[in-house]
Amino acid sequence: RKEVEQDPGPFNVPEGATVAFNCTYSNSASQSFFWYRQDCRKEPKLLMSVYSSGNEDGRFTAQLNRASQYISLLIRDSKLSDSATYLCVVNLGLTGTASKLTFGTGTRLQVTL
Amino acid sequence: EAGVTQFPSHSVIEKGQTVTLRCDPISGHDNLYWYRRVMGKEIKFLLHFVKESKQDESGMPNNRFLAERTGGTYSTLKVQPAELEDSGVYFCASSRGLYNSPLHFGNGTRLTVT
Repeated sequence: RKEVEQDPGPFNVPEGATVAFNCTYSNSASQSFFWYRQDCRKEPKLLMSVYSSGNEDGRFTAQLNRASQYISLLIRDSKLSDSATYLCVVNLGLTGTASKLTFGTGTRLQVTL
Repeated sequence: EAGVTQFPSHSVIEKGQTVTLRCDPISGHDNLYWYRRVMGKEIKFLLHFVKESKQDESGMPNNRFLAERTGGTYSTLKVQPAELEDSGVYFCASSRGLYNSPLHFGNGTRLTVT
């Protein structure tokens, strides 16, 4: 079983739609959680951290369910510029310092006119 | 501030040759990481430097890979001799060093071994 599992997609949605991505992780000792965005042939970039209380950044809402070991990302009012691969990322945080991240394979989103 | 820079952006080499990848982290970032993504797979951790010391090299695939960070500034990752399965994108990332401080990734080096 992979440490971080994501539906690879692609998710093809029209502009303005709401789309949700899910991710599960296998290690219950995981300490912190993130969504990264990666454009084609570019580097991953941090989109947002994910907290148990849920957090929102504009059109993006992230949620964490520790009991189910499940993370979600909701994008409202999709824009063409949201087209990218969304990576679910988990940190075991064992060192107590900076991160050794475990990545999912990513979910590809294509927003169309 | 300048971001994480990697050189070269692309490298095509033959099996058995040697390649050295370079990463310049963001100035002041003590933590430097190497990750790689092979075709169709997820990005995987290779190793972590804190300044010039290897904090964790558990992700290094085998002894054909050698990473260094002399002086605690830039880092190199050498593959010698390269094999076909080493092809992929090698990402470097750096962070300031506070717990869970965000990682800043470089654009990556796309390595093709033929």
